[in-house]
Amino acid sequence: NAGVTQTPKFQVLKTGQSMTLQCAQDMNHEYMSWYRQDPGMGLRLIHYSVGAGITDQGEVPNGYNVSRSTTEDFPLRLLSAAPSQTSVYFCASSSSRTGNYGYTFGSGTRLTVV
Amino acid sequence: AQKITQTQPGMFVQEKEAVTLDCTYDTSDPSYGLFWYKQPSSGEMIFLIYQGSYDQQNATEGRYSLNFQKARKSANLVISASQLGDSAMYFCAMIASFKTIFGAGTRLFVKA
Repeated sequence: NAGVTQTPKFQVLKTGQSMTLQCAQDMNHEYMSWYRQDPGMGLRLIHYSVGAGITDQGEVPNGYNVSRSTTEDFPLRLLSAAPSQTSVYFCASSSSRTGNYGYTFGSGTRLTVV
Repeated sequence: AQKITQTQPGMFVQEKEAVTLDCTYDTSDPSYGLFWYKQPSSGEMIFLIYQGSYDQQNATEGRYSLNFQKARKSANLVISASQLGDSAMYFCAMIASFKTIFGAGTRLFVKA
């Protein structure tokens, strides 16, 4: 099925550990973004990309790195996990070819840092 | 800087009635877009409707319409004939310079 695939769905990390959240889309969308959603809050933009090889910081980029080597993949790396990074992470993609920039979202990764 | 404000943390509506969810925005970009997304209790994010800043007419998608008032910088979502399945969180969002930001959301409760 066409869409955005995020892995893993759940993850528990110890403080100081590093990990990569995977995101892949098969719709040939130019734009991809990572958000975090904390309880009772909206989505906050971590990093975004307008195409392969091009990334930029969002609202809350500290502690996270991204790269976009292909159109399909946009992994998010946590360099040294902290309890403040406990959250639900969403990856999303969109394209101007749809006539709007409406996102297709992945199902999310629930991350707990202990 | 971009900013999205949703001032209604929660709203109640009777089934089959219409409801308006408020959203105001701020941006210095002359070209931007406004969105509404739905997040049911299952947690998925669903795109509902889009309005471009240069669109002359208000966007509509089925029972959803976006009341776009550019001078007031508002982009309210109107849901007509509410259904029990409309109970969810609703997020307003804005794209400008390829960056999309979200408001804090409004939780809608539809009463039978």
